Amino acid sequence: DAGITQSPRHKVTETGTPVTLRCHQTENHRYMYWYRQDPGHGLRLIHYSYGVKDTDKGEVSDGYSVSRSKTEDFLLTLESATSSQTSVYFCAISEYGTVSNQPQHFGDGTRLSIL
Amino acid sequence: EDKVVQSPLSLVVHEGDTVTLNCSYEVTNFRSLLWYKQEKKAPTFLFMLTSSGIEKKSGRLSSILDKKELFSILNITATQTGDSAIYLCAALNDYKLSFGAGTTVTVRA
Repeated sequence: DAGITQSPRHKVTETGTPVTLRCHQTENHRYMYWYRQDPGHGLRLIHYSYGVKDTDKGEVSDGYSVSRSKTEDFLLTLESATSSQTSVYFCAISEYGTVSNQPQHFGDGTRLSIL
Repeated sequence: EDKVVQSPLSLVVHEGDTVTLNCSYEVTNFRSLLWYKQEKKAPTFLFMLTSSGIEKKSGRLSSILDKKELFSILNITATQTGDSAIYLCAALNDYKLSFGAGTTVTVRA
């Protein structure tokens, strides 16, 4: 299994509170991704990183920010959580980017509920 | 807008049956088609298909890509209860991986 750890695994919080999810990898891969998974939508890309301090937006980035200060850690922050952000969040990694034709490997996910 | 559509959305079969899952795509700058299996947690990688007409096999699972008709199929033969999962297909282009909504397969003993 790819060495990807997501924390926390489950979280329940209230609308308006800040939330930070962490993804930690031990593979020394350059690329890291955050997705959300919702019924009927599959996995949708929120943000991704192509190196330390290098990040870019995905298709559903509104309301989310990310940071990558070390190769192994990629943080996803909801500045002010809303109920529409209730979802399962997955982190993924790949050694090279999409142009290299490589699969991404996923962590076990964080189930986030916003009440 | 890039689009990946999977069918059926769900199906129930009995052990020993053969299952065929469909995935069609419309993606700019298409590079490859990927299949993942998702049980309770992380999607796990099954296949990556880049060339048309070349079947990839892993045990009882096989998959093929048709780049002219823009679709792929995933076959599971002699199904077992451990094959119960959500099967995701995703199209890779220069920029991102676009996922379908998934097909939920339930295998009954």
